[in-house]
Amino acid sequence: DQQVKQNSPSLSVQEGRISILNCDYTNSMFDYFLWYKKYPAEGPTFLISISSIKDKNEDGRFTVFLNKSAKHLSLHIVPSQPGDSAVYFCAASTGNQFYFGTGTSLTVIP
Amino acid sequence: ETGVTQTPRHLVMGMTNKKSLKCEQHLGHNAMYWYKQSAKKPLELMFVYSLEERVENNSVPSRFSPECPNSSHLFLHLHTLQPEDSALYLCASSQYGGGDYEQYFGPGTRLTVT
Repeated sequence: DQQVKQNSPSLSVQEGRISILNCDYTNSMFDYFLWYKKYPAEGPTFLISISSIKDKNEDGRFTVFLNKSAKHLSLHIVPSQPGDSAVYFCAASTGNQFYFGTGTSLTVIP
Repeated sequence: ETGVTQTPRHLVMGMTNKKSLKCEQHLGHNAMYWYKQSAKKPLELMFVYSLEERVENNSVPSRFSPECPNSSHLFLHLHTLQPEDSALYLCASSQYGGGDYEQYFGPGTRLTVT
């Protein structure tokens, strides 16, 4: 039973536009949510996170939004750059347990 | 060396072989993790060592055996694997209980079972 879902396996966006990656979860006990970025032949790299007590966290071009009532979070990248092309994983945690989505492959077209 | 390192980066083994994957973290963290990443599937948490306690995913077969001799080193011992065990195995570390939940991942070991 998958507790974290990323329903879009891929997304293409023009350079300079906004990229929106979505993630849904089922467990209301999750207290922390994270986004990771992964390039081929490398391990995932931490990007941004948000605590369950917040609804928004911003770091430069990256903003994560959390809607607890909908059990939904999203990652906004503005403006998108070609170097952002990678696979993005959503993760949720409770205690020392982490659950990941299947990833969304983002392609930013120059 | 910095961050999280994993060796070997690639491994091909037969079903009757015994091998071990090694992970080392240089971040002073107190928790280490093994994940399995199969194609088109989410990262699957296999084992956690946190504050010297081990937590495991009950669905992981006994042919995978972890060992954590200290907070900086983590091993995954493999024996009598099956072809469906072919995957990318990722190690990660974090500072559990410190208010930061970020995990830092190694580059992974690409395992092929023939």
